[in-house]
Amino acid sequence: DSGVTQTPKHLITATGQRVTLRCSPRSGDLSVYWYQQSLDQGLQFLIQYYNGEERAKGNILERFSAQQFPDLHSELNLSSLELGDSALYFCASSVDGGSKNIQYFGAGTRLSVL
Amino acid sequence: EDQVTQSPEALRLQEGESSSLNCSYTVSGLRGLFWYRQDPGKGPEFLFTLYSAGEEKEKERLKATLTKKESFLHITAPKPEDSATYLCAVTRLHASGGSYIPTFGRGTSLIVHP
Repeated sequence: DSGVTQTPKHLITATGQRVTLRCSPRSGDLSVYWYQQSLDQGLQFLIQYYNGEERAKGNILERFSAQQFPDLHSELNLSSLELGDSALYFCASSVDGGSKNIQYFGAGTRLSVL
Repeated sequence: EDQVTQSPEALRLQEGESSSLNCSYTVSGLRGLFWYRQDPGKGPEFLFTLYSAGEEKEKERLKATLTKKESFLHITAPKPEDSATYLCAVTRLHASGGSYIPTFGRGTSLIVHP
Protein backbone atom coordinates (compact mmCIF):
# COMPACT_ATOMS: atom_id res chain seq x y z
CA ASP A 1 0.00 0.00 0.00
CA SER A 2 1.56 3.29 -1.17
CA GLY A 3 -0.45 5.42 1.25
CA VAL A 4 -1.97 7.43 -1.62
CA THR A 5 -5.75 7.07 -1.84
CA GLN A 6 -7.74 7.69 -4.99
CA THR A 7 -11.50 7.65 -5.38
CA PRO A 8 -13.50 6.44 -7.15
CA LYS A 9 -11.78 3.37 -8.58
CA HIS A 10 -14.05 3.25 -11.57
CA LEU A 11 -16.13 5.91 -13.27
CA ILE A 12 -18.46 5.44 -16.21
CA THR A 13 -20.03 8.50 -17.76
CA ALA A 14 -21.25 9.92 -21.03
CA THR A 15 -19.74 12.36 -23.48
CA GLY A 16 -20.20 15.99 -22.54
CA GLN A 17 -20.41 15.27 -18.83
CA ARG A 18 -18.18 16.49 -16.01
CA VAL A 19 -16.49 14.33 -13.36
CA THR A 20 -14.29 14.89 -10.33
CA LEU A 21 -11.47 12.58 -9.28
CA ARG A 22 -10.15 12.76 -5.75
CA CYS A 23 -6.73 12.06 -4.29
CA SER A 24 -5.41 11.98 -0.72
CA PRO A 25 -1.62 12.07 -0.55
CA ARG A 26 0.62 10.15 1.83
CA SER A 27 0.86 11.59 5.29
CA GLY A 28 3.52 14.30 5.29
CA ASP A 29 3.68 14.75 1.52
CA LEU A 30 3.03 18.28 0.32
CA SER A 31 3.17 17.69 -3.41
CA VAL A 32 0.53 16.03 -5.56
CA TYR A 33 0.88 15.07 -9.22
CA TRP A 34 -1.77 13.97 -11.70
CA TYR A 35 -1.08 11.65 -14.62
CA GLN A 36 -3.10 10.17 -17.45
CA GLN A 37 -2.29 6.70 -18.74
CA SER A 38 -3.71 5.41 -21.98
CA LEU A 39 -2.66 2.50 -24.16
CA ASP A 40 -1.35 4.70 -26.96
CA GLN A 41 0.25 7.46 -24.89
CA GLY A 42 1.75 5.82 -21.86
CA LEU A 43 1.97 7.72 -18.58
CA GLN A 44 1.61 11.45 -19.24
CA PHE A 45 2.14 14.17 -16.64
CA LEU A 46 -0.79 16.55 -16.33
CA ILE A 47 -0.22 18.91 -13.41
CA GLN A 48 1.50 19.28 -10.04
CA TYR A 49 0.41 21.10 -6.89
CA TYR A 50 2.63 21.89 -3.95
CA ASN A 51 1.13 22.94 -0.63
CA GLY A 52 -1.99 24.30 -2.30
CA GLU A 53 -0.32 26.11 -5.19
CA GLU A 54 0.06 25.03 -8.80
CA ARG A 55 3.76 24.27 -9.35
CA ALA A 56 4.11 22.69 -12.79
CA LYS A 57 1.88 22.09 -15.75
CA GLY A 58 2.21 19.38 -18.36
CA ASN A 59 -0.02 18.22 -21.18
CA ILE A 60 -3.27 19.14 -19.48
CA LEU A 61 -6.23 20.09 -21.64
CA GLU A 62 -8.08 23.33 -20.99
CA ARG A 63 -11.18 21.25 -20.24
CA PHE A 64 -9.32 19.78 -17.27
CA SER A 65 -8.53 21.58 -14.05
CA ALA A 66 -7.21 20.68 -10.64
CA GLN A 67 -6.81 22.10 -7.19
CA GLN A 68 -5.23 21.19 -3.88
CA PHE A 69 -7.08 22.00 -0.68
CA PRO A 70 -5.74 23.13 2.71
CA ASP A 71 -5.85 19.56 4.01
CA LEU A 72 -3.62 18.71 0.99
CA HIS A 73 -6.06 16.45 -0.78
CA SER A 74 -6.45 17.20 -4.45
CA GLU A 75 -9.20 17.00 -7.03
CA LEU A 76 -8.95 16.71 -10.79
CA ASN A 77 -11.97 18.01 -12.66
CA LEU A 78 -12.64 16.80 -16.18
CA SER A 79 -15.37 18.55 -18.15
CA SER A 80 -17.00 18.31 -21.58
CA LEU A 81 -15.79 14.76 -21.68
CA GLU A 82 -14.93 13.11 -24.96
CA LEU A 83 -14.48 9.46 -25.86
CA GLY A 84 -10.74 10.02 -26.03
CA ASP A 85 -10.62 11.00 -22.37
CA SER A 86 -11.18 7.38 -21.41
CA ALA A 87 -8.03 6.35 -19.57
CA LEU A 88 -6.52 5.57 -16.22
CA TYR A 89 -5.88 8.64 -14.11
CA PHE A 90 -3.22 8.39 -11.45
CA CYS A 91 -2.36 10.62 -8.58
CA ALA A 92 1.10 10.54 -7.02
CA SER A 93 2.54 12.33 -4.03
CA SER A 94 5.99 13.24 -2.80
CA VAL A 95 7.49 15.26 0.02
CA ASP A 96 8.13 18.16 -2.34
CA GLY A 97 9.22 18.56 -5.94
CA GLY A 98 12.91 18.06 -5.37
CA SER A 99 15.14 16.09 -7.70
CA LYS A 100 15.57 13.22 -5.27
CA ASN A 101 11.92 12.93 -4.37
CA ILE A 102 10.29 9.60 -4.98
CA GLN A 103 6.73 9.78 -6.23
CA TYR A 104 4.31 7.29 -4.71
CA PHE A 105 1.31 6.43 -6.83
CA GLY A 106 -2.26 5.66 -5.97
CA ALA A 107 -4.20 2.77 -7.47
CA GLY A 108 -5.79 5.03 -10.06
CA THR A 109 -9.25 5.88 -11.31
CA ARG A 110 -10.38 4.14 -14.47
CA LEU A 111 -12.56 6.54 -16.47
CA SER A 112 -14.77 5.22 -19.22
CA VAL A 113 -16.56 7.77 -21.40
CA LEU A 114 -19.37 6.23 -23.43
CA GLU B 1 12.39 17.34 -26.16
CA ASP B 2 13.08 14.63 -23.59
CA GLN B 3 12.84 11.10 -24.89
CA VAL B 4 12.74 7.84 -23.01
CA THR B 5 12.72 4.62 -25.01
CA GLN B 6 12.29 1.24 -23.43
CA SER B 7 13.06 -2.05 -25.09
CA PRO B 8 11.88 -4.62 -25.68
CA GLU B 9 8.18 -3.69 -25.55
CA ALA B 10 7.38 -7.19 -24.36
CA LEU B 11 9.48 -10.02 -23.00
CA ARG B 12 8.57 -13.60 -22.23
CA LEU B 13 10.91 -15.63 -20.04
CA GLN B 14 10.91 -19.04 -18.49
CA GLU B 15 11.28 -19.16 -14.75
CA GLY B 16 14.98 -18.95 -13.94
CA GLU B 17 15.93 -17.45 -17.32
CA SER B 18 17.85 -14.23 -16.60
CA SER B 19 17.56 -11.21 -18.90
CA SER B 20 17.84 -7.43 -19.07
CA LEU B 21 15.46 -4.58 -19.86
CA ASN B 22 16.81 -1.44 -21.49
CA CYS B 23 15.92 2.21 -21.01
CA SER B 24 17.68 4.68 -23.28
CA TYR B 25 17.18 8.39 -22.81
CA THR B 26 17.95 11.81 -24.19
CA VAL B 27 17.37 14.57 -21.68
CA SER B 28 19.00 17.87 -20.99
CA GLY B 29 20.06 18.20 -17.40
CA LEU B 30 19.23 14.72 -16.10
CA ARG B 31 18.72 14.71 -12.37
CA GLY B 32 17.63 11.17 -11.77
CA LEU B 33 16.44 7.97 -13.37
CA PHE B 34 13.68 5.96 -11.75
CA TRP B 35 12.44 2.42 -12.24
CA TYR B 36 8.88 1.50 -11.36
CA ARG B 37 6.95 -1.75 -11.50
CA GLN B 38 3.29 -1.67 -12.53
CA ASP B 39 0.88 -4.57 -12.13
CA PRO B 40 -2.29 -4.67 -14.26
CA GLY B 41 -4.91 -2.24 -13.03
CA LYS B 42 -2.63 -0.80 -10.34
CA GLY B 43 -0.44 2.23 -9.89
CA PRO B 44 3.31 2.20 -10.50
CA GLU B 45 5.35 0.99 -7.55
CA PHE B 46 8.77 2.52 -6.93
CA LEU B 47 11.77 0.21 -7.32
CA PHE B 48 14.99 2.20 -7.73
CA THR B 49 16.41 5.60 -8.32
CA LEU B 50 19.84 6.26 -9.87
CA TYR B 51 21.56 9.61 -10.05
CA SER B 52 24.95 9.25 -11.69
CA ALA B 53 26.65 7.13 -14.34
CA GLY B 54 28.17 4.00 -12.86
CA GLU B 55 25.68 3.80 -10.05
CA GLU B 56 24.04 0.43 -9.33
CA LYS B 57 21.15 -0.57 -7.06
CA GLU B 58 19.93 -4.06 -6.15
CA LYS B 59 16.76 -5.47 -4.68
CA GLU B 60 16.17 -9.20 -4.52
CA ARG B 61 16.36 -10.50 -8.11
CA LEU B 62 16.55 -7.02 -9.66
CA LYS B 63 19.60 -4.90 -10.33
CA ALA B 64 19.54 -1.48 -11.97
CA THR B 65 22.54 0.17 -13.60
CA LEU B 66 23.05 3.59 -15.19
CA THR B 67 25.30 4.98 -17.91
CA LYS B 68 25.26 8.41 -19.51
CA LYS B 69 22.82 7.29 -22.19
CA GLU B 70 20.91 4.33 -20.80
CA SER B 71 19.89 2.23 -17.88
CA PHE B 72 19.47 -1.50 -17.58
CA LEU B 73 17.24 -3.48 -15.29
CA HIS B 74 18.76 -6.92 -14.89
CA ILE B 75 16.49 -9.71 -13.71
CA THR B 76 18.30 -12.73 -12.32
CA ALA B 77 16.52 -16.08 -12.13
CA PRO B 78 13.05 -14.52 -12.43
CA LYS B 79 9.93 -16.02 -10.90
CA PRO B 80 6.34 -15.82 -12.14
CA GLU B 81 5.61 -13.15 -9.52
CA ASP B 82 8.08 -10.86 -11.29
CA SER B 83 5.60 -10.62 -14.17
CA ALA B 84 4.61 -6.97 -14.55
CA THR B 85 5.26 -3.90 -16.67
CA TYR B 86 8.49 -2.14 -15.79
CA LEU B 87 8.56 1.60 -16.33
CA CYS B 88 11.59 3.83 -16.58
CA ALA B 89 11.43 7.58 -15.97
CA VAL B 90 13.93 10.42 -16.15
CA THR B 91 13.60 13.66 -14.25
CA ARG B 92 14.86 17.13 -14.88
CA LEU B 93 13.85 20.59 -13.81
CA HIS B 94 10.50 21.52 -15.25
CA ALA B 95 10.23 24.61 -17.48
CA SER B 96 8.32 26.31 -14.65
CA GLY B 97 11.51 26.16 -12.64
CA GLY B 98 9.84 24.87 -9.53
CA SER B 99 9.95 21.11 -9.63
CA TYR B 100 11.55 18.03 -11.09
CA ILE B 101 9.00 16.24 -13.23
CA PRO B 102 9.53 12.73 -14.63
CA THR B 103 9.15 11.72 -18.25
CA PHE B 104 8.12 8.09 -18.47
CA GLY B 105 8.92 5.49 -21.08
CA ARG B 106 6.20 3.26 -22.48
CA GLY B 107 7.39 0.32 -20.41
CA THR B 108 8.43 -3.28 -20.94
CA SER B 109 5.78 -5.90 -20.31
CA LEU B 110 7.45 -8.92 -18.70
CA ILE B 111 5.83 -12.33 -18.45
CA VAL B 112 7.63 -15.10 -16.60
CA HIS B 113 6.30 -18.58 -17.26
CA PRO B 114 6.58 -21.30 -14.58
